[in-house]
Formats: sequence, structure tokens, C-alpha cells
Amino acid sequence: DIQMTQSPASLSASLEEIVTITCQASQDIGNWLAWYQQKPGKSPQLLIYGATSLADGVPSRFSGSRSGTQYSLKISRLQVEDIGIYYCQQASSAPWTFGGGTKLELK
Amino acid sequence: QVKLLQSGAELVKPGASVKLSCKTSGFTFSTSYMSWLKQVPGPSIEWIGWIYAGDGGTNYNQKFKGKATLTVDKSSSTAYMDLSSLTSEDAAVYFCARGGRLFAYWGQGTLVTVSS
Repeated sequence: DIQMTQSPASLSASLEEIVTITCQASQDIGNWLAWYQQKPGKSPQLLIYGATSLADGVPSRFSGSRSGTQYSLKISRLQVEDIGIYYCQQASSAPWTFGGGTKLELK
Repeated sequence: QVKLLQSGAELVKPGASVKLSCKTSGFTFSTSYMSWLKQVPGPSIEWIGWIYAGDGGTNYNQKFKGKATLTVDKSSSTAYMDLSSLTSEDAAVYFCARGGRLFAYWGQGTLVTVSS
């Protein structure tokens, strides 16, 4: 199975700050990478697919990028509603696997 | 709009089985892939498998073969997951989601507790 190593495990940031979360794939997954946000007590919500494409309704302050087998999620100006846990997921080779999550909190 | 409504929380005894449901609306169920996922505190999410509602074809994560069985009822646009021989390792929140590879729509989750 493809391993997805996500970092950091937790992150504390201030409002309006730039936040970056990374995910390292254990092998080539091309652009088959998605990012999800999960707020407390809620289901995960798709943010980014195809490594860089914004899902419907997702604010433009979210963006995704890729460098080889390393993928990044960037929040350009952190807002209160962005607090939650973020996961990456590879969709290149079954079984699809998720990163361990990044818990984003307000400083 | 797309809705996925899952059945309520379950308390089951070790060794027993449980059947979870996911009633859908707002999209063409009969041509859709439906996936099930497991989330345990940690946090961690695992993909269990998908079922194609059109013909009932399935694809399981090897880890869950023999543990989970996916079925659908096209007449009611509902997906089901049977979990068998439950142990403490199966205690989790289980989600259904529309899609076989990427998951844009999720159910609200069903908490399964395994206890005697």
C-alpha cells in the first residue's frame, strides 16, 4: 500500500497567517492527491483534488501544489472557520490511503 | 441537493454482526459508486471499499475482506455495509461517501461501539 506521511501533526497559527501543510507519498502518485477538511463532529469535506484543483464552493484562499512526490496545501490567510483537521488522500493506486491528519488550531 | 443519511449509532456485542445503511438522494444512484470509510481516533481514516450501484460490483481494501460486505438496494437508493465478527478493533465511526476514488459527498457517520 502507498504510505502518505503528513506533517506537521498539529499546527497553531494566528488569524490572517499563511499556513502550509505537506504530504509525502511513498511512491509516485502523479496528481492523484486530494485534501479534505474535517471540522469537529462533522464529516470530512473535499477541498482540493487532482493535487491543485479547487472543489466546488471552496474559498480561493485554499490552494494545492505538487513537487515530485511531495504535496502541499496552503491557506493564504487563515480564518476562524478554517480550524479543524486536514487530511491528504492518494487516489492513484487502491487501496486509497490517507495521511495521519494535521490538527490546525488558532494561536 | 446531494444527501447521504446514515443509520444511527450501534452498540453491539463482541462476535456479533451489524448492518449499516446509507440512504441517498439528489443524484442518480444507479450509476454511482459508493464507498465506505472507517475513522478511529488518532485520527485516522481508512478506505474499506466501493460498490458500483449499477451492477453491484465491488472492490475491497484487502484489509477488510471477510470483515465488510457492501450491498445496495437500487429501489430505495440505499447502500449497506455488513460488518461481521465484531471485535474492539472494529469500534469506530463509519462513513459512506459518494465516489469510488474521490469523495465529494459524505454521510454524517455512524458510531459503532463494541462492548459486552
